[in-house]
Formats: sequence, structure tokens, C-alpha cells
Amino acid sequence: QVQLQESGPGLVKPSGTLSLTCAVSGGSITSSNWWSWVRQPPGKGLEWIGEIYHSGRTNYNPSLKSRVTILVDKSKNQFSLKLSSVTAADTAVYYCARVTAAYDHLEYWGQGTLVTVSS
Amino acid sequence: QSALTQPASVSGSPGQSITISCTGTSSDVGGYNYVSWYQKHPGKAPKLMIYDVSNRPSGVSNRFSGSKSGNTASLTISGLQAEDEADYYCSSYSISSTPWVFGGGTKLTVL
Repeated sequence: QVQLQESGPGLVKPSGTLSLTCAVSGGSITSSNWWSWVRQPPGKGLEWIGEIYHSGRTNYNPSLKSRVTILVDKSKNQFSLKLSSVTAADTAVYYCARVTAAYDHLEYWGQGTLVTVSS
Repeated sequence: QSALTQPASVSGSPGQSITISCTGTSSDVGGYNYVSWYQKHPGKAPKLMIYDVSNRPSGVSNRFSGSKSGNTASLTISGLQAEDEADYYCSSYSISSTPWVFGGGTKLTVL
């Protein structure tokens, strides 16, 4: 069973950079899957942030593209998210997830980590 | 606001059936059979309940079923149980600006 676990600081200052890591266990980051980041602001719905393939190829949400970087670390079987110039609007629970090889849905999710942007 | 529209809440008594709708457009729900549903308990990871409109992953109860008509997908839970009380989210592949779009979530209360 594939498991994903997010980790990173729970508090980030405004204008700073949010950095999260998603550790993958029970499967390889080099499998034929895309790896995604999704977030949920308090009281709001889910928002797709972006995704990466083990080759390093990425796709980003156009609304966040100028601030987002997703990287993969094959040696550690994990991938990461960096979101720069954060504001209070970036406060959310951040999830990592695996897309199926058929690219038809997100099949495995981490339990999420709350990141608060505040001074 | 979310790309897909779900009712904010639904409720039902144990043993009853409920249906949660998920309305999108021809660019997502209506255009592809890639609708999925997730169950979310507080503090837990979202759990896949339905994929490709009506398929159940191994281990998911057959009390959960999915369907689609036009731009609206539906999740039906029959024989409601207390453990079904959770938030439910729909998702769809989309040809729009992002490949994955989501609903705002529906809180299911088992009375």
C-alpha cells in the first residue's frame, strides 16, 4: 500500500517561502505516476497546485505558476513544494497525492499538513 | 469558488440512502468519464471511494455507487451507517486550465 506523508513548517511569515516535502513509502517515486500537490484553505474547497513526473517534468496551476516550484528527489523517494511570496491567502491544509498511471484520478493522498501564514 | 458544485450538506438516518450531486461543465464532468469521489474524516487522508464515474476500489463497500448524467455526477450511499459521516469531495479530469478540478465538499450527517 502506497503511503504519502507531508512535512514542513506549520508557520510561515508573509512574503516568505512555504516549503513542504512529501515522503513516499510502499512505492517508488520513479513509477509511471505523476505526483501532485493540492491545498484546501479553511472553509473552502480543494485547489490543485501542480504535479511532477520523476523525469522532472512539471505542470502548474496557472494562478500560482509564478510562485510555485515542485521538485523530485529520487534518492530520497520524495518530492517537494515551494511557494514563494506567501500571503494570508496561502493559509491552507496542503496535501500531496499520487495520480494513477492511467492519469484518470488521484488515488493515494497524504493526510495533509496545515500551513499558516502569519507574522 | 470551486470549479465543481456540490451541496454543502446532506443528512440521512441509518439504513436510508442519500445522493450527493457534483455539477461541472462539458470541459470536465460532462466531457470525460474521469469523475472520482473521496471520503474525508477529520485529520485523515482523503480516501478514494469511486473512480471513473462508477468504479469502486478494492475494499470499498458496495453501498457506495456512482453515476453520471450530462454535466452532473452523483454519489449514492445506501444503507447509511454512522461511520459514513464525513465530508465527501468530487473531482474530475478537466481540459481547462488545470487537469484536476474539485468540488467544494459535502458534509454528510448521519442522524
